[in-house]
Amino acid sequence: EAGVTQFPSHSVIEKGQTVTLRCDPISGHDNLYWYRRVMGKEIKFLLHFVKESKQDESGMPNNRFLAERTGGTYSTLKVQPAELEDSGVYFCASSQFTGFRSTEAFFGQGTRLTVV
Amino acid sequence: AQKVTQAQTEISVVEKEDVTLDCVYETRDTTYYLFWYKQPPSGELVFLIRRNSFDEQNEISGRYSWNFQKSTSSFNFTITASQVVDSAVYFCALSEAMDSNYQLIWGAGTKLIIKP
Repeated sequence: EAGVTQFPSHSVIEKGQTVTLRCDPISGHDNLYWYRRVMGKEIKFLLHFVKESKQDESGMPNNRFLAERTGGTYSTLKVQPAELEDSGVYFCASSQFTGFRSTEAFFGQGTRLTVV
Repeated sequence: AQKVTQAQTEISVVEKEDVTLDCVYETRDTTYYLFWYKQPPSGELVFLIRRNSFDEQNEISGRYSWNFQKSTSSFNFTITASQVVDSAVYFCALSEAMDSNYQLIWGAGTKLIIKP
């Protein structure tokens, strides 16, 4: 069974440019989560999708970040325009259930974003 | 406020030694979840354990064991007879959310180096 996959694994862009990160969750997992780890800081929750709906986007840093999950399958996270402080590793995770029935979340290998 | 502290930035031991990774958390909630994840050099975050606040029983899984102590707000992780393959960054995390317990609050991580 394929795990959570993220594309690209590494992206280097200039300040002001746009970058789109993609996450393919495990098939059948309704829940999809985005996290990021900015250099030197802890991993932070960004948002949570249940199927195609945003369940919680309280962790999104600002309106330069747009996450979508069309059709409830893969998700994209667009940063437009990118700033230097957006550099870090962006993780995606998926799980089958949430709440008390929650199973473990499976993480992808992350996308390392470098804004220069 | 909620917080997870992993005071050990880096630990280095010789293979076959036992090693304990510390995790101290802060929360005002009575119901919460605690997690440990492993990040090997390949980058993905690998789930190790999830424990809810009502279950203070210690857990053992092979060479891994976890000691949950609510009295000291700690959830420490011990690897017995460490192996080189255990080398990784280990993260402790806390979730207070009931409906979506992947709004994780992460510790800074402990880099574990196992020398042959």
